[in-house]
Amino acid sequence: DTAVSQTPKYLVTQMGNDKSIKCEQNLGHDTMYWYKQDSKKFLKIMFSYNNKELIINETVPNRFSPKSPDKAHLNLHINSLELGDSAVYFCASSLRLAGSGDTQYFGPGTRLTVL
Amino acid sequence: KNQVEQSPQSLIILEGKNCTLQCNYTVSPFSNLRWYKQDTGRGPVSLTIMTFSENTKSNGRYTATLDADTKQSSLHITASQLSDSASYICVGGYSGGYQKVTFGTGTKLQVIP
Repeated sequence: DTAVSQTPKYLVTQMGNDKSIKCEQNLGHDTMYWYKQDSKKFLKIMFSYNNKELIINETVPNRFSPKSPDKAHLNLHINSLELGDSAVYFCASSLRLAGSGDTQYFGPGTRLTVL
Repeated sequence: KNQVEQSPQSLIILEGKNCTLQCNYTVSPFSNLRWYKQDTGRGPVSLTIMTFSENTKSNGRYTATLDADTKQSSLHITASQLSDSASYICVGGYSGGYQKVTFGTGTKLQVIP
């Protein structure tokens, strides 16, 4: 069973489009995250959701909006896609907040390419 | 500013050899130090997590050390295998307000036969 799953795995789209990436975790965790990994492989946290409430927003443009229908899902919606949005996006989950020392479990990633 | 720096950026070793990866961190207030392994095209996988009071932790052939005084950590890989080829990422966790993490840029390890 996959602990953290993301769809789609690959997403190719035109500049200006709106797209969504879905994430689901079956670990019963309270906290979920979205990370962006750029071409230099640097991982940067975008959002954290704890018990369906947004608790961290790391100066991400408001074109990005996380949506959590329930504790097991955290989707990422992106409006008006730009070339610079091209990256690999990872979803992750942990029992408590990341700084607490709990293990984070990452999904397989979604490679977004904006043309 | 919270930062995590890793060295070397890349490393090539022969199968069966040992290697050590380095991490310098400046995160405050410090909460924990993690090492992840990321295979190409996959998400990171946790190897070890150490808090302030721990100075070493092992996970199979992986042993992480932590020196809270010098703010340095290392990841030692013993008897390397081809499957160890991956990027290894050091992550500093810090508290204060909302607990957060800062990722290093990783060390890309290649194990060759």
